[in-house]
Amino acid sequence: SAVISQKPSRDICQRGTSLTIQCQVDSQVTMMFWYRQQPGQSLTLIATANQGSEATYESGFVIDKFPISRPNLTFSTLTVSNMSPEDSSIYLCSVGGRVVNEQFFGPGTRLTVL
Amino acid sequence: GDSVTQMEGPVTLSEEAFLTINCTYTATGYPSLFWYVQYPGEGLQLLLKATKADDKGSNKGFEATYRKETTSFHLEKGSVQVSDSAVYFCALSDRESGGGADGLTFGKGTHLIIQP
Repeated sequence: SAVISQKPSRDICQRGTSLTIQCQVDSQVTMMFWYRQQPGQSLTLIATANQGSEATYESGFVIDKFPISRPNLTFSTLTVSNMSPEDSSIYLCSVGGRVVNEQFFGPGTRLTVL
Repeated sequence: GDSVTQMEGPVTLSEEAFLTINCTYTATGYPSLFWYVQYPGEGLQLLLKATKADDKGSNKGFEATYRKETTSFHLEKGSVQVSDSAVYFCALSDRESGGGADGLTFGKGTHLIIQP
């Protein structure tokens, strides 16, 4: 399985600011995914990021709020823009495994917006 | 759209008890099914998986069988330990044949508490 790291591991931010979360993988992967886990809730897919193309967003998520970069096969960033307290969540990146549709997750970034 | 339904928690059991966590799904295609586990203070880990009907996924004493006729993927363990205390997520990926990877659809998670 891939080794995935995320930065920062946690942050406390003020309303109206933006935070960029980084996801680094120890091997080249085609597909990377970004999820949100709101307090006490399950994981919800935000978007799928392929290297060299625009990210594909799920219903309810838009690029202006959650811009994503995927500059190479081992790295991606997710920005949470113009934050409000409702954005307080754990944000996780994941990558595909060798088995179709198997995914491995990073440790997550715990975001608190005041 | 696709969805996953899990039994509500928390589920509290005594050590060495038998565990079942129910999971049912709806999907438009022919999904792959997964159980993920989130131990306290840790990230999400893949526990087991099954990619076609009647497949049985197993790991660490946990088992789940892909039942297409009942659209279910119930998680079972014969004798639980305190160290099994965690949140368990059932998930599916509804990939069309021909390749490509999709995001996962998760259930709400079941918090399992094992008491000594």
